[in-house]
Amino acid sequence: GAGVSQSPSNKVTEKGKDVELRCDPISGHTALYWYRQSLGQGLEFLIYFQGNSAPDKSGLPSDRFSAERTGGSVSTLTIQRTQQEDSAVYLCASSRGGGREKLFFGSGTQLSVL
Amino acid sequence: AQSVTQLGSHVSVSEGALVLLRCNYSSSVPPYLFWYVQYPNQGLQLLLKYTSAATLVKGINGFEAEFKKSETSFHLTKPSAHMSDAAEYFCAVSGRGSYIPTFGRGTSLIVHP
Repeated sequence: GAGVSQSPSNKVTEKGKDVELRCDPISGHTALYWYRQSLGQGLEFLIYFQGNSAPDKSGLPSDRFSAERTGGSVSTLTIQRTQQEDSAVYLCASSRGGGREKLFFGSGTQLSVL
Repeated sequence: AQSVTQLGSHVSVSEGALVLLRCNYSSSVPPYLFWYVQYPNQGLQLLLKYTSAATLVKGINGFEAEFKKSETSFHLTKPSAHMSDAAEYFCAVSGRGSYIPTFGRGTSLIVHP
């Protein structure tokens, strides 16, 4: 596709429910990132995928959070037993890989946990 | 280890005035530095980046930033603000060997007519 696509754009869920957020990166980009954006908190790194290497999960805040990337392309971020503090905008980005490369961001998924 | 500090969560300027958004970084290795902009209801996009070539980097929409190693700074400037510059600006650092950019908390630029 022309850009990074995320779905859904908005998700409202009840506390305790599981949610899945999807990211479709730019074709050919080997690196994929998930960040969380909370008001006044900037971007918080969650997880990083690079090619076929094991993902860097060092930013996941708890074991309720997990992510996978299938076929080196589409990624799904799953949050189990959602809590109100999980409410935020979840951003996905992709790049050609390497620290000097710019990130291309999707428009994000606004998650609201009631 | 790497970190970014953006001084001032909000900066307010008049249209036509100088824009200065401050960013200081910490990195144990030579850094790559970035400024991203997020316009209302849009995704983040790259304004400019420093990757060890010229220390003065020019970006889109008339913005530029200067890498100052001695001050560990990468401040963003624009000589004359325009109403369309109102947005959230994020500074980010990626140390060589680390492929995960660390972002600052962002600075909201407000432009008054």
